[in-house]
Amino acid sequence: GQSLEQPSEVTAVEGAIVQINCTYQTSGFYGLSWYQQHDGGAPTFLSYNGLDGLEETGRFSSFLSRSDSYGYLLLQELQMKDSASYFCAVSYNQGGKLIFGQGTELSVKP
Amino acid sequence: GAVVSQHPSWVICKSGTSVKIECRSLDFQATTMFWYRQFPKQSLMLMATSNEGSKATYEQGVEKDKFLINHASLTLSTLTVTSAHPEDSSFYICSALGNPEAFFGQGTRLTVV
Repeated sequence: GQSLEQPSEVTAVEGAIVQINCTYQTSGFYGLSWYQQHDGGAPTFLSYNGLDGLEETGRFSSFLSRSDSYGYLLLQELQMKDSASYFCAVSYNQGGKLIFGQGTELSVKP
Repeated sequence: GAVVSQHPSWVICKSGTSVKIECRSLDFQATTMFWYRQFPKQSLMLMATSNEGSKATYEQGVEKDKFLINHASLTLSTLTVTSAHPEDSSFYICSALGNPEAFFGQGTRLTVV
């Protein structure tokens, strides 16, 4: 089978740092991606890890440990507009389908 | 980045009718596209992989006769929900590429009454 686990919701205040964890159990693995989705909108790409380690893109960073089947998304200097759902997703090959986690709803408070 | 356009953005139809959703890649050619369904506050569930010029590959549990997928050109994939019922009401969304970034259409909110 295949499963991706992430917390269902997280709350933080503006300016803070929040980490959203994702653990996965899949029959194959190529890489781990992170997507943001606002209510009623389409998912937008945030970050990708194909190899172990940290990838940094502005305020967002993502980490992967393939041996632990674990990754996380780190959001720094939180802003109100960061309130959204965040999904981790596993890909099995280059350019292939994505299997999404259940999503983490992030609420940023003033 | 690449642009994927999906149409319509929302549709209301009567129970028993069919609805076609289009997904176009505007500035690139997509030999493969993916169709997802998302219920409120839930994850994106992969329904099928659409392959240009060949049959779609459906995920386990997805009825291929109910959700017809056609990928007749390198820029267009369509999903037809046949004989729609209220339980088919959902948010349907397509995507393309994924190397590693996947580009998504705007999504289609389907309501069956």
